Amino acid sequence: DTEVTQTPKHLVMGMTNKKSLKCEQHMGHRAMYWYKQKAKKPPELMFVYSYEKLSINESVPSRFSPECPNSSLLNLHLHALQPEDSALYLCASSRGQGATTYEQYFGPGTRLTVT
Amino acid sequence: RKEVEQDPGPFNVPEGATVAFNCTYSNSASQSFFWYRQDCRKEPKLLMSVYSSGNEDGRFTAQLNRASQYISLLIRDSKLSDSATYLCVVIFSGGYNKLIFGAGTRLAVHP
Repeated sequence: DTEVTQTPKHLVMGMTNKKSLKCEQHMGHRAMYWYKQKAKKPPELMFVYSYEKLSINESVPSRFSPECPNSSLLNLHLHALQPEDSALYLCASSRGQGATTYEQYFGPGTRLTVT
Repeated sequence: RKEVEQDPGPFNVPEGATVAFNCTYSNSASQSFFWYRQDCRKEPKLLMSVYSSGNEDGRFTAQLNRASQYISLLIRDSKLSDSATYLCVVIFSGGYNKLIFGAGTRLAVHP
């Protein structure tokens, strides 16, 4: 089973709203990732959590705030977003992260529209 | 120069055709290589990892040429369901499992 789930599937929010995206995996993976994908572009890495600790932040604006409550869950808290933040937000997980590379499995994504 | 380069296509082929995609990468310290496929408005799905010895999975064959820093994907007997964007993905050594994506090659298989 290589399933990563994400909720909600779609989200429309105003620029003053606060919302959260959720991601869950039950594969025992110890690394989880947030990506942003704009139309007709490849995914861009935002954050990496390894063993529930933030290991990579790709200079993402502070209006995006990740959280890893436990090894199965990953959240992305959104606040004061801009219309240009509208995109598909993808979560992924892998067995680990570090010197050995592992295949990453993606969730179905949350399609976010900021109005 | 982009870290991972692919021909964006689109490749328009009839059912049953054989089609090949190429990908080049710039970092000679690259460690791991993958092909993902992505359907319109869906998530990327891992198609196959690419090994130095080359590997095959049914109608799909992946090859790696480290000397030329080149990866390929061959699809035989194309099906309508193969229509998608194919993403070449590389992980650099010491890159903390960070996926470096190519821009993707679009394949359209027609009847």
